[in-house]
Amino acid sequence: DAGVIQSPRHEVTEMGQEVTLRCKPISGHDYLFWYRQTMMRGLELLIYFNNNVPIDDSGMPEDRFSAKMPNASFSTLKIQPSEPRDSAVYFCASSFTGVELFFGSGTQLSVL
Amino acid sequence: GENVEQHPSTLSVQEGDSAVIKCTYSDSASNYFPWYKQELGKRPQLIIDIRSNVGEKKDQRIAVTLNKTAKHFSLHITETQPEDSAVYFCAASNPQAGTALIFGKGTTLSVSS
Repeated sequence: DAGVIQSPRHEVTEMGQEVTLRCKPISGHDYLFWYRQTMMRGLELLIYFNNNVPIDDSGMPEDRFSAKMPNASFSTLKIQPSEPRDSAVYFCASSFTGVELFFGSGTQLSVL
Repeated sequence: GENVEQHPSTLSVQEGDSAVIKCTYSDSASNYFPWYKQELGKRPQLIIDIRSNVGEKKDQRIAVTLNKTAKHFSLHITETQPEDSAVYFCAASNPQAGTALIFGKGTTLSVSS
């Protein structure tokens, strides 16, 4: 298995633009997590899914953020409109049991 | 919800010394405490974990201790090596209750030779 695959690796956009981050979890993993990493706040949980159903979205900063998991092998995190304070590394992680997380390589987002 | 505090934020040691990173958590229902290591530019990876029915766990040069009464747990690295240089994150959760891992803010460990 290639592990958790995220795309794009880097995204540079201008304030106000829509940004879509993508994630393919490890096959057979029923849990999918989105985390955001910044120097100031560390790794913050945004949302997680179990069997494609959102379980906890309390970490989603505001209505500008939305996440979907239309099937077991794909998830998206969308920011619309994007703002400079959204600049961060966004990690997707999957898990078979919900215990050990396997992280993707992350998407480095820069909003100018 | 759970809140995890981690100290120190940076730690510099000489090769061969020991390093200790400490974390506290707020939710007494948390019962799973993993540690993740993130090398520069890489993804976080699990290095060791401990559950609340265990007080200490060792794996070669690393060990974790847990004090449930005080709600704190620690990572101990002995005989540090330059390749131990990384950011270390502690985390807490209650998997049986369906809570996701909440991470501390991380400790940047630098091991100089």
